[in-house]
Amino acid sequence: ETGVTQSPTHLIKTRGQQVTLRCSSQSGHNTVSWYQQALGQGPQFIFQYYREEENGRGNFPPRFSGLQFPNYSSELNVNALELDDSALYLCASSLQGAAGKLFFGSGTQLSVL
Amino acid sequence: QQQVKQSPQSLIVQKGGIPIINCAYENTAFDYFPWYQQFPGKGPALLIAIRPDVSEKKEGRFTISFNKSAKQFSLHIMDSQPGDSATYFCAASSTNQGDRALTFGKGTMLLVSP
Repeated sequence: ETGVTQSPTHLIKTRGQQVTLRCSSQSGHNTVSWYQQALGQGPQFIFQYYREEENGRGNFPPRFSGLQFPNYSSELNVNALELDDSALYLCASSLQGAAGKLFFGSGTQLSVL
Repeated sequence: QQQVKQSPQSLIVQKGGIPIINCAYENTAFDYFPWYQQFPGKGPALLIAIRPDVSEKKEGRFTISFNKSAKQFSLHIMDSQPGDSATYFCAASSTNQGDRALTFGKGTMLLVSP
């Protein structure tokens, strides 16, 4: 059984650029959630995908968007990067209905200069 | 609005001690309360979780105490070990919410000294 894998592990971008982060779900999991973790803070919910559709969204602007593919892998896209977007982006997979039982990847550390 | 408040921000205990981390929530719709453990460079990992129909749950050296009327819950780590040194997050979610998104506290950095 493979765990949740994310790529890349680190990324440096400049303000205004666009970025795509990738995630492969744990085997057998059909739901993917993305969280943003700022330094010294708890993770904050960005959105969730189930059956290739957005299934819920936190308090993040539309320039944060995502995709889920038929194999349950996922992408997080962020347009028009801002300095405050610098954070650890965590992908978590789960089974739909398994409340809170998330399996997190190690994250992508994004730095916006 | 911070819906889950966690304290303390950091904690140092000696090996064998019993660190206690406290959380308080505001949203009465929350009905699932997990604790996650995070090591540097890693994502959070589910440690233990509780639902409001019980007041205590134990798994190994980890115990959650839950007080529904006070809207508070806490994590106790019995016989703490240096390997328990990590950041601990409490969280909460509502099964009424389709995505069952977790609302996390700000975390407690625990150091267990040898």
